[in-house]
Amino acid sequence: QSALTQPPSASGSPGQSVTISCTGSSSDVGGYNYVSWYQQYPGKAPKLMIYDVSKRPSGVPDRFSGSKSGNTASLTVSGLQPEDEADYYCSSYGGSNNILFGGGTKLTVL
Amino acid sequence: QVHLVESGGGVVQPGRSLRLSCAASGFTFSSYGMHWVRQAPGKGLEWVAVIWHDGSTKYYADSVKGRFTISRDNSKNTLYLQMNSLRGEDTAVYYCARQLVTSGFDIWGQGTMVTVSS
Repeated sequence: QSALTQPPSASGSPGQSVTISCTGSSSDVGGYNYVSWYQQYPGKAPKLMIYDVSKRPSGVPDRFSGSKSGNTASLTVSGLQPEDEADYYCSSYGGSNNILFGGGTKLTVL
Repeated sequence: QVHLVESGGGVVQPGRSLRLSCAASGFTFSSYGMHWVRQAPGKGLEWVAVIWHDGSTKYYADSVKGRFTISRDNSKNTLYLQMNSLRGEDTAVYYCARQLVTSGFDIWGQGTMVTVSS
């Protein structure tokens, strides 16, 4: 199966909101509520930010939120802060006992 | 404190083998499904394999099926990845990760680098 589709880049100014999309198909994103989002700084391991489409792990600021409509999931970062500048990856259950990742989105805080 | 620590990476020639380990601490290892995820230099994340909490079921990405084997020793709180017939495209940082009950990897190791080169 193909990777999920994310925009390669996104940007916003401090305090603004930015939304990153993750498009799959009815066989993965659209078929299951098993979408998760990860934040990764250069040279570091990914960190779970959202799971099960919209749930936030303990310790993740509520500025981060997730949603899904049809075959597209979204991560919204509200009240952008400089430390939000990182790479973001979406992931979904692929429906055939596999996990799919998006290609990643580099978020720049202007 | 919950920790995953990978080891076993290095430089290996094409066609050779390597075994990665992931030592878990701070949680009941035998209660969680565990995964390997890799990231080629400058590229995105790629799921590699999963093993259920009791080791009874394993699944692999098509790119490694038949060449890689995931296993675990719950008595040693350790996850393994046996990598055979290595190729240049297997060059990556390999992470082990703990799976939440439903979806998502909530704990990741620091990663171990595997370089396949002659």
